[in-house]
Amino acid sequence: GQNIDQPTEMTATEGAIVQINCTYQTSGFNGLFWYQQHAGEAPTFLSYNVLDGLEEKGRFSSFLSRSKGYSYLLLKELQMKDSASYLCAPWSTLGRLYFGRGTQLTVWP
Amino acid sequence: EAGVAQSPRYKIIEKRQSVAFWCNPISGHATLYWYQQILGQGPKLLIQFQNNGVVDDSQLPKDRFSAERLKGVDSTLKIQPAKLEDSAVYLCASSLVGSGSTDTQYFGPGTRLTVL
Repeated sequence: GQNIDQPTEMTATEGAIVQINCTYQTSGFNGLFWYQQHAGEAPTFLSYNVLDGLEEKGRFSSFLSRSKGYSYLLLKELQMKDSASYLCAPWSTLGRLYFGRGTQLTVWP
Repeated sequence: EAGVAQSPRYKIIEKRQSVAFWCNPISGHATLYWYQQILGQGPKLLIQFQNNGVVDDSQLPKDRFSAERLKGVDSTLKIQPAKLEDSAVYLCASSLVGSGSTDTQYFGPGTRLTVL
């Protein structure tokens, strides 16, 4: 089974930096995805980590530590449009994606 | 490139009625997924198809839910009879290869089901 833990809510102001943490316990682990989901919309792919370390993609970066069962998503230069739910999703060796409950990020002007 | 298409976008039914959802994946994607997302939770996998075969349906409530992908392209998910707790958004996703190979899943807009 899977046990995925991420904060329920976070708030930040425009232009700031925010880090969303995710810890997981999986019976088989192949990598970790982060998805963004705006209210009433489908999840959209943000990043994927398979090796330890930091993957940078513009304003968004994602970090993975396989030994610690830990990942974070780093959002820089926050904009109002970044207000959304951010889903941590470990990928299992069985080929299944498991989603956490999501972290609802609110960006204030 | 067209994305994953789903219909209907919204559906309201009474409990014990039946309902069906349709999904058309991205062209060329072999793997198709159906997820259930209850309000305030992350998506939960119901069933995964590789072409027209079922790879994983371990979390599908088979007494009331069924799904098929007969020609390895479109898929339908059916609920019969519906219960109040089935109220959720039903998301369809597709990926190029899937099943044991890591590749990105792309989601459709979802069908929001309300059971009264």
